[in-house]
Amino acid sequence: KNEVEQSPQNLTAQEGEFITINCSYSVGISALHWLQQHPGGGIVSLFMLSSGKKKHGRLIATINIQEKHSSLHITASHPRDSAVYICAVGYPYSGGGADGLTFGKGTHLIIQP
Amino acid sequence: DADVTQTPRNRITKTGKRIMLECSQTKGHDRMYWYRQDPGLGLRLIYYSFDVKDINKGEISDGYSVSRQAQAKFSLSLESAIPNQTALYFCATSGTPTLAGTDTQYFGPGTRLTVL
Repeated sequence: KNEVEQSPQNLTAQEGEFITINCSYSVGISALHWLQQHPGGGIVSLFMLSSGKKKHGRLIATINIQEKHSSLHITASHPRDSAVYICAVGYPYSGGGADGLTFGKGTHLIIQP
Repeated sequence: DADVTQTPRNRITKTGKRIMLECSQTKGHDRMYWYRQDPGLGLRLIYYSFDVKDINKGEISDGYSVSRQAQAKFSLSLESAIPNQTALYFCATSGTPTLAGTDTQYFGPGTRLTVL
């Protein structure tokens, strides 16, 4: 069973700061997902990546397959970025084998004005 | 309109009652999932379905059952609810993954269930 660890669990920062959230996993995967959950509870997929780096606006996600580690960065953070960020890992498609995602416990981010 | 909808959004019930949570999607995806979220534990997979005739148990299926009535509908039932099933429940869908692995998952808004 893959263990997914996120750090930090909680992070409070000032508006404008550069934010980094880390995710480590124990077993080889095919893809890693970063999700965002707002205080209202809804979950949105931010990135799915299996290698390298992806960028969307002020968000950047990187993954190092050899080290089994991924980071989510937020540049020029803003109070509207306040949310829980969740890392999840998926497995190689096996044509009917285990599916779904294994999730980390999330990082609760608060950006203060 | 939302691509993935869940009903009800909130439900309070009593121990021993049968409860059904419903999920509908308009994304045309074959794959659907039910997760529960508990504080401090993260999201955990209850059941998943690859198509109408294919249903699989997830990590924590005990005490739950599911029904895939159509490609677009996937229901979760608690036959006899108990207090430790109090949680936030999410339905999700995804397209058929490539050989690279799981596809992006699209989540419903969640159902907050309280069992007294």
